[in-house]
Amino acid sequence: SALTQPRSVSGSPGQSVTISCTGTSSDVAGHNYVSWFQHHPGKAPKLMIYDVTKRPSGVPDRFSGSKSGNTASLTISGLQAEDEADYYCCSYAGSSTYVFGTGTTVTVL
Amino acid sequence: QVQLQESGPGLMKPSETLSLSCTVSGDSISGFWSWIRQPPGKGLEWIGQIHETGVTSYTPSLKSRVTMSIDTSKNQFSLKLTSMAAEDTAIYFCARHRGYLFDPWGQGTLVTVSP
Repeated sequence: SALTQPRSVSGSPGQSVTISCTGTSSDVAGHNYVSWFQHHPGKAPKLMIYDVTKRPSGVPDRFSGSKSGNTASLTISGLQAEDEADYYCCSYAGSSTYVFGTGTTVTVL
Repeated sequence: QVQLQESGPGLMKPSETLSLSCTVSGDSISGFWSWIRQPPGKGLEWIGQIHETGVTSYTPSLKSRVTMSIDTSKNQFSLKLTSMAAEDTAIYFCARHRGYLFDPWGQGTLVTVSP
């Protein structure tokens, strides 16, 4: 079953927003392999965070990840206009399978 | 840098079998590779993965309908999905699978199932 994310979050430029991603003991809580993707419709999704907290080269340090129990979170600090996009979490679910979140639209007011 | 490009039929009829290919450029097709889809207005769904050796793993809900294959000589891997229905209408993405993450992704190809 898909991981649960809020449908939308919003914030003004410069503010911080946090997106939650709730799963189960079989996925989020059971493994430290949660990743986050930024998706602008019509483009390829972009990896923003992997292994819960790690940031790929080139991703601004405004993006950070964390996890507590069965809920992972992505925080965007110092929100910028170009951060407006859809964001998806993804977790390893054991037995070489993966599950994505329902997706969250971030709106910069 | 590695780039991926999906190719497929675009429009299909119900009950047909979908065949998609993903061409990898900029690197050899070693390691793991995945297919992911996004129905219109909905979230992403992981379909499955294939290793360069041909070992596969599929999401349980599609396992009975999915077959993945890989052709290392052509730097391509493929997806077949049988008994296509309207609910299989989606953008289909291919992605490189490293460790426990997907990066990079292709741009995606829209597959529409309509009578």
